[in-house]
Amino acid sequence: DQQVKQNSPSLSVQEGRISILNCDYTNSMFDYFLWYKKYPAEGPTFLISISSIKDKNEDGRFTVFLNKSAKHLSLHIVPSQPGDSAVYFCAASAIKAAGNKLTFGGGTRVLVKP
Amino acid sequence: SQTIHQWPATLVQPVGSPLSLECTVEGTSNPNLYWYRQAAGRGLQLLFYSVGIGQISSEVPQNLSASRPQDRQFILSSKKLLLSDSGFYLCAWAGTNSYNEQFFGPGTRLTVL
Repeated sequence: DQQVKQNSPSLSVQEGRISILNCDYTNSMFDYFLWYKKYPAEGPTFLISISSIKDKNEDGRFTVFLNKSAKHLSLHIVPSQPGDSAVYFCAASAIKAAGNKLTFGGGTRVLVKP
Repeated sequence: SQTIHQWPATLVQPVGSPLSLECTVEGTSNPNLYWYRQAAGRGLQLLFYSVGIGQISSEVPQNLSASRPQDRQFILSSKKLLLSDSGFYLCAWAGTNSYNEQFFGPGTRLTVL
């Protein structure tokens, strides 16, 4: 049972345009959401997060939107740069989860074309 | 600042051989520690987590075990490796507040032949 899903395995975008990555979740207990970026053969690096009390969080070129009623979040990257080419994972957690565990989606591979 | 180390970076082992992967964290005390596996083309699967020395929780039944002999040391082991144990193993740490991002190590690429 996948509680966090990223339905688009890959995304190709032109440099300078917007990249939109989507993530859906099923567990209504999730109340904190994160996005990670991962290059091949490296560990994921934290990008941005959002609490369920907000519907938007912005950090530079990265903005995360949360729609709790739809159980949907998205990551917008604008403008996209070639260095943004990587696999992006969304993750979710519940404040009452033992050990502050994260549940990850399957990832979306982004390719930014120059 | 906090840093997390994993070794070895790559490992090729025959089926049936033992395994020991080590993870250490510097610059923090009493972290939560996690082991993940990323199979080829797949997402991150949580294998084990630990909230303190000697405290291990297993997320999925498998051929692996974990131990935490010291506060900032987390070890992933197997007595006999299977082909299906191949993958990219990641260690992560997090603070113990209510909301905390997890920070990942560089990973170990394990190939079982």
